[in-house]
Amino acid sequence: DAGVIQSPRHEVTEMGQEVTLRCKPISGHDYLFWYRQTMMRGLELLIYFNNNVPIDDSGMPEDRFSAKMPNASFSTLKIQPSEPRDSAVYFCASSSTGTSAYNEQFFGPGTRLTVL
Amino acid sequence: QKEVEQNSGPLSVPEGAIASLNCTYSDRGSQSFFWYRQYSGKSPELIMSIYSNGDKEDGRFTAQLNKASQYVSLLIRDSQPSDSATYLCAVKLRYSTLTFGKGTMLLVSP
Repeated sequence: DAGVIQSPRHEVTEMGQEVTLRCKPISGHDYLFWYRQTMMRGLELLIYFNNNVPIDDSGMPEDRFSAKMPNASFSTLKIQPSEPRDSAVYFCASSSTGTSAYNEQFFGPGTRLTVL
Repeated sequence: QKEVEQNSGPLSVPEGAIASLNCTYSDRGSQSFFWYRQYSGKSPELIMSIYSNGDKEDGRFTAQLNKASQYVSLLIRDSQPSDSATYLCAVKLRYSTLTFGKGTMLLVSP
């Protein structure tokens, strides 16, 4: 089975540009999570969806960040405008309440974002 | 505020030794606990989960949980150079998301 798919794998952009990160969760999974990882702050949850509905976006750093999940197989994380401090690795993860009551999460390969 | 604490390391052990990785958490309501392994430049990969007090063994890996002490550990027996990675501890309340520690880097020397 295919795992979580993310694109692009690497993104280099200039400050002020719009950045869109994409994620396809594992088929059948009903939870989708967006994380950001930096050396300083570790792995931080930005937002998560359940059945395509955003449940908690309290981790989104500011209004420049937005996320959507138009259907069960696709989600986007958008940064507009981007800033150098947004440079990080962004991970998408998915899980299913059908596998266990405790939602083991499976991570995608990540998108390494560099904002110059 | 939910917190998960890990020693950042690096923890250096020789090949064949036992590596012991530790994690403490602040929320007594935490109900499930996970260890993820992350190789440099790669994504976190789930290697162990534990839900009740005591030990859980899977191959060379043993997870230990002590809810009274709010402590979870991972033991790796017969450590191999391929075990060199960062190990992330994660905890979860019953109906909430995972909270991750910053991870412990493990270095296994041949």
